[in-house]
Amino acid sequence: QKEVEQDPGPLSVPEGAIVSLNCTYSNSAFQYFMWYRQYSRKGPELLMYTYSSGNKEDGRFTAQVDKSSKYISLFIRDSQPSDSATYLCAMSGQAGTALIFGKGTTLSVSS
Amino acid sequence: EPEVTQTPSHQVTQMGQEVILRCVPISNHLYFYWYRQILGQKVEFLVSFYNNEISEKSEIFDDQFSVERPDGSNFTLKIRSTKLEDSAMYFCASSTPGLAGRWDNEQFFGPGTRLTVL
Repeated sequence: QKEVEQDPGPLSVPEGAIVSLNCTYSNSAFQYFMWYRQYSRKGPELLMYTYSSGNKEDGRFTAQVDKSSKYISLFIRDSQPSDSATYLCAMSGQAGTALIFGKGTTLSVSS
Repeated sequence: EPEVTQTPSHQVTQMGQEVILRCVPISNHLYFYWYRQILGQKVEFLVSFYNNEISEKSEIFDDQFSVERPDGSNFTLKIRSTKLEDSAMYFCASSTPGLAGRWDNEQFFGPGTRLTVL
C-alpha cells in the first residue's frame, strides 16, 4: 500500500475556476502536511504548511487536513494561468524527518 | 528573502566517477536534507542531517553516498562511483525549529542540481 496517493491528472481548467487538489495517506503518524508547487525542472516551492488537522487560508489558497479520513486538500480560488504547474502534497511525522511526497498533480489553467 | 542555493545547476559525469553536489542552506536552519527526483517520478528522500550527523536515511542512501557539512554554511552530497540510475534532479532542503517550543517541519528546497551520468 502506497503511503501517499495523489491523482497525477492532468487537470485542465479555465481561468477563474476553483481548483481542488487532493491526497490520501495511510500513515496515521503523519502530522505535518505541506503543499508544494513545482515548475518543470525546478525545485519544489512551499505553498502551504499545516500542522495537524484544520484549515489554513493564504490569499487564493486554502489547505484542509482531515486526519480522521487521512485526506488533505488544496483549493485554489480564481485560478490564473500562472497557477499552471505541478502541485505536490508532502507529509511527515516528527519535525526534522523525511517528507513523503505524492506523485504530483499537473494543473493547466487556460486564459 | 533567504533561500537555499545549490551548485552546480547541471553536472554531467561518466559512470564510475565521483561527484560532489553542493548546497548552502538557509543560514539559521538546523536540519538539512537531500532528496532526488528521477524524471517523471516522485520526489524521494535520501538523507537528513542534524547536529553534524545523519539523523535519518532512506534505502536509496547506500554506501555510495555520503554527506558532509565542511564549514558553517555548505552542505554536500557525494556520490562515490556514479551509476546510470543516479541520473536525477537532486534537491537540497533545510528547516528550522518553529515558534513556542514546537519544532516545525517546513522544508525549503533549493533549485536542484541536474545530474546526468553517461
